[in-house]
Amino acid sequence: DTAVSQTPKYLVTQMGNDKSIKCEQNLGHDTMYWYKQDSKKFLKIMFSYNNKELIINETVPNRFSPKSPDKAHLNLHINSLELGDSAVYFCASARAGGNTEAFFGQGTRLTVV
Amino acid sequence: SQKIEQNSEALNIQEGKTATLTCNYTNYSPAYLQWYRQDPGRGPVFLLLIRENEKEKRKERLKVTFDTTLKQSLFHITASQPADSATYLCALDLPPTGFQKLVFGTGTRLLVSP
Repeated sequence: DTAVSQTPKYLVTQMGNDKSIKCEQNLGHDTMYWYKQDSKKFLKIMFSYNNKELIINETVPNRFSPKSPDKAHLNLHINSLELGDSAVYFCASARAGGNTEAFFGQGTRLTVV
Repeated sequence: SQKIEQNSEALNIQEGKTATLTCNYTNYSPAYLQWYRQDPGRGPVFLLLIRENEKEKRKERLKVTFDTTLKQSLFHITASQPADSATYLCALDLPPTGFQKLVFGTGTRLLVSP
């Protein structure tokens, strides 16, 4: 009964390809996020959605396009992959309104070769 | 821009001792602060949340303090065990208000030796 699940767990792809990572939460939360964790383990926020609406876009290149078909899903599509996109991407969810813990998925390790 | 720094990249202590991790932030003063644990190959897991009007919060062997004057939070693990070895992250909620924007610190890798 995974609360926040991401697929795939591992993704190896060539430069220039387009790929998607999917995320689903069954916690009934309104807010979902994408985070990027680089090789130095720094966890950086990329996007936040609240009830399917984009709230936060942290100056991420427009090759990254999040899509939220409903409030339980937040997918991340990446166009024209670059070597520097290699990282672990985490999806998370939380109740709306702040002052609340975030629940993270297990991460997707993306390797661009 | 907001900077969140955790005292050291790594901290080694002996089993049974108290581990103390530091989180310092600049500029914006958050309404609350959170601590998470991350194990290798896993996502962060929530541990504790402390509000700006709370000086201290406890949960079993964990204790968190929040000093808004010093812009600092301390995270203590008492009677530490090898199973406590992990990376610990502090996180602040930044504007826009009403929507949680959790920004994480650099993390401290704790190693508890038997």
